Amino acid sequence: DIQMTQSPSSLSASVGDRVTMSCRASQSIKKYLNWYQQKPGKAPKLLIYTTSNLHSAVPSRFSGSGSGTDFTLTISSLHPEDFATYYCQQSYNISYTFGLGTKVEIK
Amino acid sequence: EVQLVQSGAEVRQPGESLKISCNGSGYNFTDYWIGWVRQMPGKGLEWVGIIYPGDSDTRYSPSFEGQVTISVDKSISIAFLHWSSLKASDTAMYYCARLGRIAVAHTWYYYGMDVWGQGTTVTVSS
Repeated sequence: DIQMTQSPSSLSASVGDRVTMSCRASQSIKKYLNWYQQKPGKAPKLLIYTTSNLHSAVPSRFSGSGSGTDFTLTISSLHPEDFATYYCQQSYNISYTFGLGTKVEIK
Repeated sequence: EVQLVQSGAEVRQPGESLKISCNGSGYNFTDYWIGWVRQMPGKGLEWVGIIYPGDSDTRYSPSFEGQVTISVDKSISIAFLHWSSLKASDTAMYYCARLGRIAVAHTWYYYGMDVWGQGTTVTVSS
């Protein structure tokens, strides 16, 4: 299995802050990296697929970058509704493993 | 509207069997892979496996191979996740989700999980 490691596990930020979080794969996954947002008690939502493609209706303050083994999710200006847990997922091979998540909390 | 609707919460005892369901509507059910994801209480997301309703091609995460069975009844657009003998450690929320697809160079590329069910809570306790 490809292992996905996210960092940090949590971060504190204020509304309006620029936030970045990382995801590292245990082997090259080329560009096949997706990001999800999950709020408490809710199903995850797809934010970004294939490293940098925004899913429909996702605000443009979200962006993704990277390739190979190292990837980044950036929120350019944090909104109140962005406080949530973010998961990366590789879709390079058929066992679509997830990272353990980065929780974005209010400072 | 494209949606996946899952069956309701279940409470079982260890050793019992269980089958939960995921009903797709608003799209051609046989054209998209359906995946299952586990989320244990207070923990992250874990990939269980996926099935292609068109031909029942099924793939499992090594961690779940032999522990669960994924199946589908394409005539009624429902995917299933089945346990033959539950353990307390199976207690979790289980989500089904559709793999989104786009056409790339005359073939389908499946990317992330673009539509999710609401989740089914499974509690296993004596």
